[in-house]
Amino acid sequence: DTGVSQDPRHKITKRGQNVTFRCDPISEHNRLYWYRQTLGQGPEFLTYFQNEAQLEKSRLLSDRFSAERPKGSFSTLEIQRTEQGDSAMYLCASSYGTSGRDEQFFGPGTRLTVL
Amino acid sequence: KQEVTQIPAALSVPEGENLVLNCSFTDSAIYNLQWFRQDPGKGLTSLLLIQSSQREQTSGRLNASLDKSSGRSTLYIAASQPGDSATYLCAVTQGGSEKLVFGKGMKLTVNP
Repeated sequence: DTGVSQDPRHKITKRGQNVTFRCDPISEHNRLYWYRQTLGQGPEFLTYFQNEAQLEKSRLLSDRFSAERPKGSFSTLEIQRTEQGDSAMYLCASSYGTSGRDEQFFGPGTRLTVL
Repeated sequence: KQEVTQIPAALSVPEGENLVLNCSFTDSAIYNLQWFRQDPGKGLTSLLLIQSSQREQTSGRLNASLDKSSGRSTLYIAASQPGDSATYLCAVTQGGSEKLVFGKGMKLTVNP
């Protein structure tokens, strides 16, 4: 399967712990996006990368959140000092191109539960 | 600020009906509009992408139209099947940005 993959698929953690999620985009896709989706809502944009460069960050991405894409391939999203409000589905997407006109393909998501 | 609305939030129909799902957006300065399907607890599956210069796209039993000036899109599903049951989301890419702005989705149930 050559789609977007995410790991882990589920994560349960206690409040205050740090968690890290990984996303592997479709091969050769230069753009990678992170979104967050809470129950009954549509996904909300967090950040995106073009190759290694992080080009846009949402105000939702507080200083407890950090994302990296060190070699322009996979990306990690880390949440420090998790809070119950961080419980959500974290979705990764990728696309190929240099404009916002390109189709985004999503992975299966990582569901985070903070106890 | 771009806002995307999908009404109704849920729809239940018998199998075989032709369906129209609605999506509206407040700012017409978009690059494109995508329709997605989401099954419970799963990620999003892209169904159709319509560029801002296009009026419609078709894939199998699905047809999506875009009226950018009025801020509306419709997804037409022909001859609905129980396997079409899912949440359908529309999203727009705002001009000058790379992010998708989503509606809350419409939960479709097709009854056998």
